[in-house]
Amino acid sequence: KAGVTQTPRYLIKTRGQQVTLSCSPISGHRSVSWYQQTPGQGLQFLFEYFSETQRNKGNFPGRFSGRQFSNSRSEMNVSTLELGDSALYLCASSPSGASGTEAFFGQGTRLTVV
Amino acid sequence: AQSVAQPEDQVNVAEGNPLTVKCTYSVSGNPYLFWYVQYPNRGLQFLLKYITGDNLVKGSYGFEAEFNKSQTSFHLKKPSALVSDSALYFCAVRDQKKSSGDKLTFGTGTRLAVRP
Repeated sequence: KAGVTQTPRYLIKTRGQQVTLSCSPISGHRSVSWYQQTPGQGLQFLFEYFSETQRNKGNFPGRFSGRQFSNSRSEMNVSTLELGDSALYLCASSPSGASGTEAFFGQGTRLTVV
Repeated sequence: AQSVAQPEDQVNVAEGNPLTVKCTYSVSGNPYLFWYVQYPNRGLQFLLKYITGDNLVKGSYGFEAEFNKSQTSFHLKKPSALVSDSALYFCAVRDQKKSSGDKLTFGTGTRLAVRP
């Protein structure tokens, strides 16, 4: 069974640009969550999608947005990039999320804003 | 609101010795608790979880964790450390309330260094 796939693995963008990251969950998983990992702030929850609906949202500005497609694949978008957006962005999938099942993480997308 | 505390930034242990990585949590309801490990430039790998039942849970690679409700703790343990266990370890909590969905709240992580 294929794991969670995130593309691209690495990105370099310029301040002010926008970026879109992609996540393909494990087959059959309907919940996809996104996290930002930085040395200073650690792992912070961005948002969660379930059946194409945003179910939870973290404390991030509106420049961070996401969506989920009918095949459960998810994308997150960051507009007007700032230097502080440089981070490892991790995607996680689980069957439904509202139970004791563990989340499975992708290898992440390393975003560098210059 | 839910939160996790990992009080040690780093734990140093000699190979063959037992190791403990500490974690305490706070949730309004009952918790689901998880441990994940991260190797350099990689995502998080699941180690083990507590859902309900037996307070001692066993996971991958010989790791285990003990759930203590009165102390709101979920410490990770291994009887005999390996150099290959050296990595960054994260404790995470999810509230069992359905409104929490799949949201995990992570601790700040503990770097485990096992010396030969």
